[in-house]
Amino acid sequence: DVKVTQSSRYLVKRTGEKVFLECVQDMDHENMFWYRQDPGLGLRLIYFSYDVKMKEKGDIPEGYSVSREKKERFSLILESASTNQTSMYLCASSPQVSQPQHFGDGTRLSIL
Amino acid sequence: QKEVEQNSGPLSVPEGAIASLNCTYSDRGSQSFFWYRQYSGKSPELIMFIYSNGDKEDGRFTAQLNKASQYVSLLIRDSQPSDSATYLCAVHTGGFKTIFGAGTRLFVKA
Repeated sequence: DVKVTQSSRYLVKRTGEKVFLECVQDMDHENMFWYRQDPGLGLRLIYFSYDVKMKEKGDIPEGYSVSREKKERFSLILESASTNQTSMYLCASSPQVSQPQHFGDGTRLSIL
Repeated sequence: QKEVEQNSGPLSVPEGAIASLNCTYSDRGSQSFFWYRQYSGKSPELIMFIYSNGDKEDGRFTAQLNKASQYVSLLIRDSQPSDSATYLCAVHTGGFKTIFGAGTRLFVKA
């Protein structure tokens, strides 16, 4: 079974802090994704990576950056956290972009 | 703007009944379609995927795809209380994007 592991289930940070969310997958998938999920809005894509050091902006990249130094690891960075970034963050991976994505358990992030 | 639309529900069905969940999408060129189940506070879990017109069955679940009408549905037979969750429809629209619907909440009454 595919295993996607997110480093924290719950995280509380303060406004202005730099926040790192880590994601690791164990299936050698090429593609990794970061989403945020808010009530009534569904999953919205923040960033996508299709290879080491390669990335594409999703629908809502403002205020975020990403890093993929190794194939199995994809990090989401909140450069200067703000209260409107309080959300559930989900990492996913897939072997090809047209195939199903496998999700981690999610990180519920609160910015105070 | 490519869209995936679902009725937010809640859809309430009695135990043992068939639950029917529907989804429409706007991009006629879409090729891959997915249904995920998401329990409250948990992450989405893949239930079914379908690529071709028609029906695809897996246990109590059947996915139906009609590309001409641009809709995809999920049928859950012999619904159980443990099926109570939010069901997300997702459509791969091309490139790297898969668009997720906001989900339909299903409640199965014991």
